[in-house]
Amino acid sequence: DGGITQSPKYLFRKEGQNVTLSCEQNLNHDAMYWYRQDPGQGLRLIYYSQIVNDFQKGDIAEGYSVSREKKESFPLTVTSAQKNPTAFYLCASSMGQGYQPQHFGDGTRLSIL
Amino acid sequence: DAKTTQPPSMDCAEGRAANLPCNHSTISGNEYVYWYRQIHSQGPQYIIHGLKNNETNEMASLIITEDRKSSTLILPHATLRDTAVYYCIVSNSGAGSYQLTFGKGTKLSVIP
Repeated sequence: DGGITQSPKYLFRKEGQNVTLSCEQNLNHDAMYWYRQDPGQGLRLIYYSQIVNDFQKGDIAEGYSVSREKKESFPLTVTSAQKNPTAFYLCASSMGQGYQPQHFGDGTRLSIL
Repeated sequence: DAKTTQPPSMDCAEGRAANLPCNHSTISGNEYVYWYRQIHSQGPQYIIHGLKNNETNEMASLIITEDRKSSTLILPHATLRDTAVYYCIVSNSGAGSYQLTFGKGTKLSVIP
């Protein structure tokens, strides 16, 4: 089935370590996004990419990095510079043309020990 | 992007229609209205979107007022699995930012 796969579902890391969250889509979508959600809050955009080898910062990019080497993949690295990394991370994708809706994966819950 | 206002919570009896309102009085002419829902600990699920005409798909109907300042999402026969937080979002994706701004949404509880 077509969709967006995020892995792992739960991730635990020690403070000071970098960690990479995986996002893969087989929808042939051009655009991909990373959002962060904190308890009881809405989603905040971290990074987005409209085409391969290009990406833009969202509202809260500090302490995060991304790459877009393949159309299907948009991994997010949470670096040690991110002050409060414990959160629910959501990846989305869209056709990227006009007003096509974004479709989301099931998220990765990151906890820093 | 225009701001939206939704009631924080609503109840609906199972089998009845759920009508979720959204106010977006500052919407501009090229902004679309999107509806998503999120069940606890899952990613948001896209429901429907529209510009000015009413829209219907297999999940729901979207009614947009003629002045586009408000809209209503209708789930025609609510089930217990429709219990979720519903988000109304107005976005000018055509401007190139592609960002969806999620507010607090409406927590819909479907009651047996």
